[in-house]
Amino acid sequence: GENVEQHPSTLSVQEGDSAVIKCTYSDSASNYFPWYKQELGKRPQLIIDIRSNVGEKKDQRIAVTLNKTAKHFSLHITETQPEDSAVYFCAATMNYGGATNKLIFGTGTLLAVQP
Amino acid sequence: GAVVSQHPSRVICKSGTSVKIECRSLDFQATTMFWYRQFPKQSLMLMATSNEGSKATYEQGVEKDKFLINHASLTLSTLTVTSAHPEDSSFYICSASPRSGGATDTQYFGPGTRLTVL
Repeated sequence: GENVEQHPSTLSVQEGDSAVIKCTYSDSASNYFPWYKQELGKRPQLIIDIRSNVGEKKDQRIAVTLNKTAKHFSLHITETQPEDSAVYFCAATMNYGGATNKLIFGTGTLLAVQP
Repeated sequence: GAVVSQHPSRVICKSGTSVKIECRSLDFQATTMFWYRQFPKQSLMLMATSNEGSKATYEQGVEKDKFLINHASLTLSTLTVTSAHPEDSSFYICSASPRSGGATDTQYFGPGTRLTVL
């Protein structure tokens, strides 16, 4: 089955700097890769996702890149702000229409943005 | 749009009792819902996939007789922790995907239920 690895487990950056979190997946059939942000004690919130038919997607300060050949995808946050501090999870799944398939989550990255 | 609610948000119970947690999709229909548990500072561990009108699919190592799942309608799934013990204390989160004619990948999470078993 699918296995997702995520690095680093913790990341501390200065406000205004960029942060990059990387994930690798094992199953080449996976075609959907969402990223979730979870603040302490709260629900995971979808912040961006990418499908395997594109290599990059951007939404304001957040971007995700996907390398299907290498089977890895990354989250990029630019101009970080203290409110970006949270745990970020990557995930992977395969879906080719029909029923929703389960997400396989990475282990999470605790991002701390220092003011 | 795509709001998922969960009830209760927090529950404390005595060992041996059963606890029911509800997961509702408020503004969309969900043929599939997922139940996760999350220990402090850890990732989300999928427990089971709940399909409307059929039996849930449990992940390896999850006892189906202990964690009863019912998905009776397109907007409601319930998880019942039977004969709860202190080791069942955890953060339980559900997620749901909107029903559509094509791919339905995006999952939206409920706010979670903090279960404490004394």
